[in-house]
Amino acid sequence: SQQGEEDPQALSIQEGENATMNCSYKTSINNLQWYRQNSGRGLVHLILIRSNEREKHSGRLRVTLDTSKKSSSLLITASRAADTASYFCATSLGSNYKLTFGKGTLLTVNP
Amino acid sequence: DAGVIQSPRHEVTEMGQEVTLRCKPISGHDYLFWYRQTMMRGLELLIYFNNNVPIDDSGMPEDRFSAKMPNASFSTLKIQPSEPRDSAVYFCASSPTGGGTDTQYFGPGTRLTVL
Repeated sequence: SQQGEEDPQALSIQEGENATMNCSYKTSINNLQWYRQNSGRGLVHLILIRSNEREKHSGRLRVTLDTSKKSSSLLITASRAADTASYFCATSLGSNYKLTFGKGTLLTVNP
Repeated sequence: DAGVIQSPRHEVTEMGQEVTLRCKPISGHDYLFWYRQTMMRGLELLIYFNNNVPIDDSGMPEDRFSAKMPNASFSTLKIQPSEPRDSAVYFCASSPTGGGTDTQYFGPGTRLTVL
């Protein structure tokens, strides 16, 4: 079963706008990661946030984590056409080293 | 570093045939993961290895699926006999420690079509 569920399933914006994607999960986690998948390619790690962290930044990416609501958000600022991809959250439940992925948000950035 | 290497990139076979997918992890990574991705079920973990030893194969759908890792630089996922419902993209990923605390590095995937 899916631990993480992304919302929305699809998002279409104009270049330069910000894109926000959300992820909800069901059980306590050790950490949460976000990955990007371009069409026909493998997943690429973007950012990891640990359960004791609330916010993390990497370039144009900002991730927040609210463990009380069991949710996370990924914000991409000043989007570019090259950001067009599917974005997945993945949760780790602990030391068993397994990641459970959501079904992803398909982001389309129109030039 | 070449990253995770998978072969073949595309495989088309007929129902009942044996299919073998191959993976070469990043050198020095001691965890290896096999995933399957479909539109209906998303990305599912099939099995993972630590230091060539299978740790958790609870995601393997049935006995038709088997995976081996004979050494630190090579793993195979075999489907015998294959069925149309096995059609999916199969990814291999490796990690220097474990997916729970570190990044997983994905290969480009093998797109399998079973007719």
